[in-house]
Amino acid sequence: DPKIIQKPKYLVAVTGSEKILICEQYLGHNAMYWYRQSAKKPLEFMFSYSYQKLMDNQTASSRFQPQSSKKNHLDLQITALKPDDSATYFCASSQERQSYEQYFGPGTRLTVL
Amino acid sequence: QQKVQQSPESLSVPEGGMASLNCTSSDRNFQYFWWYRQHSGEGPKALMSIFSDGDKKEGRFTAHLNKASLHVSLHIRDSQPSDSALYFCAASEQGGNNRIFFGDGTQLVVKP
Repeated sequence: DPKIIQKPKYLVAVTGSEKILICEQYLGHNAMYWYRQSAKKPLEFMFSYSYQKLMDNQTASSRFQPQSSKKNHLDLQITALKPDDSATYFCASSQERQSYEQYFGPGTRLTVL
Repeated sequence: QQKVQQSPESLSVPEGGMASLNCTSSDRNFQYFWWYRQHSGEGPKALMSIFSDGDKKEGRFTAHLNKASLHVSLHIRDSQPSDSALYFCAASEQGGNNRIFFGDGTQLVVKP
């Protein structure tokens, strides 16, 4: 059974629209993250949450907003989409300790036309 | 500035050969190091962790850490085509906010 679920797997959007990427983890972890991967940046850290609170934000644009409705959920809302936002977005989770590895989901591949 | 730097960017080895991947960091606060592996179409997955100076061996994989020089390496002996993947070096500090810093990756191709 998949431990980290990301929906949808593929997403096509038009420029200027808004989309929400879903992430749920069933590993019992308290920390969750979003990363972005594209040809320009192999693995780019975006956000980290711990106990549903924002801990770190390395995304310059406010168009990217994480949303944590439940302890094991961390969705990513992206507004005013641009073609440059096209990438694969990975959700990850871990125990809340520096020495623990992060577990990644399968990713959502977003294409903005 | 990238805190974790990897070399080479890409590497091709014959099946059965030895693959050596390198990583250096610029932050002396880093205490924990990992190697992650990502196969095409999948998310990255932790391959090995190394927290103490010296070697750590797991099967065909050996990681080496030298904290004084901020250098960590991964050696894969008897490389298999299934080892072909993108390998990331990652590091984190003690304390802090759980963030792991990833390098830009080394693309390994093992040719049959």
